Amino acid sequence: RKEVEQDPGPFNVPEGATVAFNCTYSNSASQSFFWYRQDCRKEPKLLMSVYSSGNEDGRFTAQLNRASQYISLLIRDSKLSDSATYLCVVDNYGQNFVFGPGTRLSVLP
Amino acid sequence: DTGVSQNPRHKITKRGQNVTFRCDPISEHNRLYWYRQTLGQGPEFLTYFQNEAQLEKSRLLSDRFSAERPKGSFSTLEIQRTEQGDSAMYLCASSSPGQGAPGSYNEQFFGPGTRLTVL
Repeated sequence: RKEVEQDPGPFNVPEGATVAFNCTYSNSASQSFFWYRQDCRKEPKLLMSVYSSGNEDGRFTAQLNRASQYISLLIRDSKLSDSATYLCVVDNYGQNFVFGPGTRLSVLP
Repeated sequence: DTGVSQNPRHKITKRGQNVTFRCDPISEHNRLYWYRQTLGQGPEFLTYFQNEAQLEKSRLLSDRFSAERPKGSFSTLEIQRTEQGDSAMYLCASSSPGQGAPGSYNEQFFGPGTRLTVL
């Protein structure tokens, strides 16, 4: 079993739709969690950190369920510019990041 | 530009040749990481430094790979006797200590990567 798993997609959604991505991780001792966004042929960039209490940043909401070892990202009112690959990232002991394979999102006009 | 920089951006080489990549992290970041990414996959951890000390190496880092960070600033990643399977994007990232729990670190900032093609 891979340490971080995501549905690779692609998710094809119309503009304005709400879309949710899920991620599961296997290491129960993992400490920190992030969502990164990666555009085609570009480097990953931090979208948001994920906190136990859940957190929201504009149209984006992240949730963490430590008991189920599950992380989610919700995007409301999708924009064309949201089209990208969304990487779930788990940080073990403040050392290396473990990336999921990414979920590809295409927002269609 | 005060972000992470990497050079070269692209490298094409013939199988069996040696290549070296450079990464300049954000200046106040004491941790530096190397990752490899192939098409359709997330980045895979290779190794990381805290200052000049190399603290962890992935089993992906075969003996043909070596990384250094001699003065705790820039880092180099060398691949000897390249193979076609080494073709990938090599990403560098850096981070700084967090203000939370002791030993915690902030998010990693990535450079634009070096795309290696081995013919």
